[in-house]
Amino acid sequence: DQQVKQNSPSLSVQEGRISILNCDYTNSMFDYFLWYKKYPAEGPTFLISISSIKDKNEDGRFTVFLNKSAKHLSLHIVPSQPGDSAVYFCAASWDRAAGNKLTFGGGTRVLVKP
Amino acid sequence: DTEVTQTPKHLVMGMTNKKSLKCEQHMGHRAMYWYKQKAKKPPELMFVYSYEKLSINESVPSRFSPECPNSSLLNLHLHALQPEDSALYLCASSQDGFYGYTFGSGTRLTVV
Repeated sequence: DQQVKQNSPSLSVQEGRISILNCDYTNSMFDYFLWYKKYPAEGPTFLISISSIKDKNEDGRFTVFLNKSAKHLSLHIVPSQPGDSAVYFCAASWDRAAGNKLTFGGGTRVLVKP
Repeated sequence: DTEVTQTPKHLVMGMTNKKSLKCEQHMGHRAMYWYKQKAKKPPELMFVYSYEKLSINESVPSRFSPECPNSSLLNLHLHALQPEDSALYLCASSQDGFYGYTFGSGTRLTVV
């Protein structure tokens, strides 16, 4: 049972435009969500996170929106840059103790065209 | 130091070999993790160490044996692996809660 889903395996966007990545989850216990960016043969790099007490978090060009009732979150990248081309994973967790399991979505490959 | 360092970056081993993967962090994080990632798949959790004690084992085969010698180091001992164990092995660490959940660059393991 896939508890975190990214239904779009790939996304192509023109440089300077907005990239919108979507993520759905089924486990209502999840209360903390993270987005990671990953280049081939490298570890995931943390981008931005949001807790369930918020519905929006912004950091520079990256904004994450959370809709708890719909169990849906999205990542907006504005403006998109060629260096943003990578695979993006959303991840979720609900255990607050030290030592937290992250459940990852399947990833969305983003290609930003110059 | 804000990094998680993994060694080696690449490893090729035979099915009868014994090898170890190493992970180190000096951020004072009290939780450390091993994840496995196959090509075009998301990372999957293997083990969690919290305050140097194994707190989560995701039913990983015994041919994978984790060890946490101290709060900064995490090892993964490998023995009698199968070709299907070939993958990118990722180490991560975090503070209490989710803050600073940081991944290393991974070890690309090939079992022949």
